[in-house]
Amino acid sequence: DTGVSQDPRHKITKRGQNVTFRCDPISEHNRLYWYRQTLGQGPEFLTYFQNEAQLEKSRLLSDRFSAERPKGSFSTLEIQRTEQGDSAMYLCASSPFLGQGNTEAFFGQGTRLTVV
Amino acid sequence: AQSVTQLGSHVSVSEGALVLLRCNYSSSVPPYLFWYVQYPNQGLQLLLKYTTGATLVKGINGFEAEFKKSETSFHLTKPSAHMSDAAEYFCDVSGTASKLTFGTGTRLQVTL
Repeated sequence: DTGVSQDPRHKITKRGQNVTFRCDPISEHNRLYWYRQTLGQGPEFLTYFQNEAQLEKSRLLSDRFSAERPKGSFSTLEIQRTEQGDSAMYLCASSPFLGQGNTEAFFGQGTRLTVV
Repeated sequence: AQSVTQLGSHVSVSEGALVLLRCNYSSSVPPYLFWYVQYPNQGLQLLLKYTTGATLVKGINGFEAEFKKSETSFHLTKPSAHMSDAAEYFCDVSGTASKLTFGTGTRLQVTL
């Protein structure tokens, strides 16, 4: 296992288009997180899953954003009708939540989205 | 709920000097604390973590941090900075079953 994988690494899209990103977590990890990071800022939480259940969704996430993890393995993050303000690095992370406390998250390389 | 405050968005040190990056946290439950490092155009990599037990934790690349409950702090230190330490550093706190919450980050610059 080579770690958390994100695809694509870079995406340039025109305003108004839909985009979808994919994240493949470390195989035995049951938690999967999505974060958004803009230049000079820390990662902002978007949503997270435990297995296939989406446990929390940030209020930052408008109705244009949706995330799925249908079989508790890979996850997709879709942004509909993209806006220039959506330009950011989208980070995926996974962790092996064991029911007694949080462990560290393992991050992918991120998908950099540029909306033109 | 949990939150962190990182004091100083930019820190500059000379090569060989002490590195001190400050992090204070707020948590309504016993915290789990982490420091991550991010190099340009990369994801985040764990430096070290505190969960329970020994309050002084050692991480990779010679970094260490001490959990001080009375001060609600988890400052990151390294005795001697190296040029390769130049990066963005994030403090992170979580409770026993919650999402990870990151600080705004501290950019470390190392000069000759």
